[in-house]
Amino acid sequence: DVKVTQSSRYLVKRTGEKVFLECVQDMDHENMFWYRQDPGLGLRLIYFSYDVKMKEKGDIPEGYSVSREKKERFSLILESASTNQTSMYLCASRPFQEHQPQHFGDGTRLSIL
Amino acid sequence: KNQVEQSPQSLIILEGKNCTLQCNYTVSPFSNLRWYKQDTGRGPVSLTIMTFSENTKSNGRYTATLDADTKQSSLHITASQLSDSASYICVVGSSGGSYIPTFGRGTSLIVHP
Repeated sequence: DVKVTQSSRYLVKRTGEKVFLECVQDMDHENMFWYRQDPGLGLRLIYFSYDVKMKEKGDIPEGYSVSREKKERFSLILESASTNQTSMYLCASRPFQEHQPQHFGDGTRLSIL
Repeated sequence: KNQVEQSPQSLIILEGKNCTLQCNYTVSPFSNLRWYKQDTGRGPVSLTIMTFSENTKSNGRYTATLDADTKQSSLHITASQLSDSASYICVVGSSGGSYIPTFGRGTSLIVHP
């Protein structure tokens, strides 16, 4: 079974801090994604990566950056955390074939105080 | 702009009853449509996928239908169980070279005993 592991289930940080969210997948998938999920808004794409060191902005990249130095790991970085970045963050991976399903981690619930 | 609309936003039913969730999309060019189930506190998990040539797909008590002409899909749940309480998300993939599927906002289903 494909496993996507997010480093923390819950995280509390302070405004202005630099925050790192880590995601690791064990199935050699080419594509990886970061989403945030808010009540009533569904999943919104922040960034995705289709290969090592390759990244593309999603719908809401402002205030975020990403890093993919190795194929199995995709990191989301909040450069200077703000309260409006309090949310559930979901990582997903998928083979390069677009019709294959995305496999999601169980999410990190991030609170910015 | 590609869009996926789901209805209803939320639904409450009694255990043992059937229900149907709706999904309308404006994604072009269409490639596939997938339904995901997201349990509380977990990441979404793929239930079914349908391509342009398929108009029905079953997975146990879940049956998805697709009408590519009207750009509508439904997810029918038969003999509901308490474990069916979850959010159901409709996701549409495009064959236009994009890596990115379009997500609906989900239908929240609560099954009461």
